[in-house]
Amino acid sequence: KAGVTQTPRYLIKTRGQQVTLSCSPISGHRSVSWYQQTPGQGLQFLFEYFSETQRNKGNFPGRFSGRQFSNSRSEMNVSTLELGDSALYLCASSLAGGPEVDQYFGPGTRLTVT
Amino acid sequence: GENVEQHPSTLSVQEGDSAVIKCTYSDSASNYFPWYKQELGKGPQLIIDIRSNVGEKKDQRIAVTLNKTAKHFSLHITETQPEDSAVYFCAASETSYDKVIFGPGTSLSVIP
Repeated sequence: KAGVTQTPRYLIKTRGQQVTLSCSPISGHRSVSWYQQTPGQGLQFLFEYFSETQRNKGNFPGRFSGRQFSNSRSEMNVSTLELGDSALYLCASSLAGGPEVDQYFGPGTRLTVT
Repeated sequence: GENVEQHPSTLSVQEGDSAVIKCTYSDSASNYFPWYKQELGKGPQLIIDIRSNVGEKKDQRIAVTLNKTAKHFSLHITETQPEDSAVYFCAASETSYDKVIFGPGTSLSVIP
């Protein structure tokens, strides 16, 4: 069974630009969560989608947004990039969500903002 | 909201020794506690998890214990091997949806 895939793996953008990252979950998984990982803040929850609906959101500004398609693939968008947005962006998929979840992570997209 | 603390931040052990990583959480409603291993250049990988109705779970050289009263949970790795070297994250899940809160991580080094 194929794992979670994320594209692109590496990205370099300039301050003020916007970026879209893509995540394809494990086949059959309907929940996709996004995380930002930085050396200073660790792993921080961005948002979670289930059946095309955002169910939960972390404490990030509105510049961070996402969506999920009918095939469960998900995209996240960051507008007006800032230097502090440089991070590894991870997505994770799980079957259906709920309080007991087994999340499987993708390899991440390394975003560098210059 | 939930807050997860993790200690130590770095841990160095000799090959063959045991390693213990401890975590505490703040939200008594949390009922799912996964542990992840992250190797350099890769995403976190789920290695073991425990639910609130279980006090201990073991999988080969890895075991996790949970004390709900004290809101503590721990990861125990026995007979450590160099390939166990990685960053380990504990996490706790709130009772709704898929919001998982992670600890800050422990960098484990196993010295051959």
